Order: sequence, then structure tokens, then C-alpha cells
Amino acid sequence: GAGVSQSPSNKVTEKGKDVELRCDPISGHTALYWYRQSLGQGLEFLIYFQGNSAPDKSGLPSDRFSAERTGGSVSTLTIQRTQQEDSAVYLCASSPDRFQPQHFGDGTRLSIL
Amino acid sequence: RKEVEQDPGPFNVPEGATVAFNCTYSNSASQSFFWYRQDCRKEPKLLMSVYSSGNEDGRFTAQLNRASQYISLLIRDSKLSDSATYLCVVNPTSGTYKYIFGTGTRLKVLA
Repeated sequence: GAGVSQSPSNKVTEKGKDVELRCDPISGHTALYWYRQSLGQGLEFLIYFQGNSAPDKSGLPSDRFSAERTGGSVSTLTIQRTQQEDSAVYLCASSPDRFQPQHFGDGTRLSIL
Repeated sequence: RKEVEQDPGPFNVPEGATVAFNCTYSNSASQSFFWYRQDCRKEPKLLMSVYSSGNEDGRFTAQLNRASQYISLLIRDSKLSDSATYLCVVNPTSGTYKYIFGTGTRLKVLA
């Protein structure tokens, strides 16, 4: 079956621009996570969505970061006024519920020039 | 102390060898444990869950030691294709969503 789909695979943009990253979770998965992974580093939790509940945004590093999940399915992560330190791989994961293991998408490799 | 700690390695082992990694966690109330594998420039993929009684999946065996607060992963008869980074993942509290990922242990299996 289809896995977690993320787009774009790669994004190169200039400092100060806004970017939008998309995640399409596995059908039927109610839990959706966004992580960030810098080169040689572990995964950094950003935000979590569970069904129609209010998301946990406690991992977002600044107010330039925001995320939405429409209709309990597709999610978008938006970074406004990008900075060079935002360069990383942004990974999305979904799971049937918060107790189950997560399945990851291929990630979006974001490079800020 | 970090919530989840792993030896970064690399562990360089010959094909056919047995290798084991440990991962320590700080929260004694942690409930769920997993091992993920991550290939270079790829996404993490679930390798196996770790159950209290220990569990095995082919050449891979996972163990949980609650008293000493660590989990382990044993790989028998290592293959070249086992070369990857192995991530330890812990859910610190039952029913929460915030899974803590270790920074990983790098394994290189040599021909």
C-alpha cells in the first residue's frame, strides 16, 4: 500500500523566503508527526496532530514555523522568513494512533542559501 | 543526562559477526520502546518493537532491562546490508505522543 508521501523532495530557497512543505499520511492514520533532522543529528520533534484534537506545537522552534492538518489527512508545514539555520531534512511520520510505531516519509531536504 | 543515549559508534564488524548495541533511557516510567534503522540520507524505518519479555525477528533480538533502564539490539550473522544507523526510540510516558529518538549507533559491516 501507499506509504507516507512528502513533497517536495528537495527545496532550495533564498534566505527570507517562505516555504511550504507537504505531507500526505498513510490512509487511516490518525496520528501525524513532523520532525527535523540536521546533518549528523538526531530527530527533533516539531509538532504532533491526533485526529481532530488540538495539535501539540511545543516543538516548533520559533513563531516563524506553523503547521496545519486539513480534514484530518494532509498536513503542511510552513516556514516564514527562512533562515540558514532552518536548513535540514524535514520528516513527516504517521501512525494508526499515538500508541503505535510511526512510519516515515522520505523527507524534504531544505537548503537555505 | 539525555533522555535517550546511544553510543554513536561506528561499530566496524566483519560479515557473519554478532554485534550488540545498547540504549539507555532516563525516565523509569517509559513504556514503549522501538528500534529503527536509518540508511544514509534516507528516512528512518521501523526495525522492531521491544517487548518486556524480549523478542526476536530473524537475526535480530531486542531486549528490555527495566532495572538498569536500557534496551539492547543484537544482530547475528551480520550482512553487508545491515550497515546503517540504528536509532533507539522511547515513549517516556504511557499514552503520550512525544517519542524521544536517540542520535543513533552507526554500524559498518565489512566484507
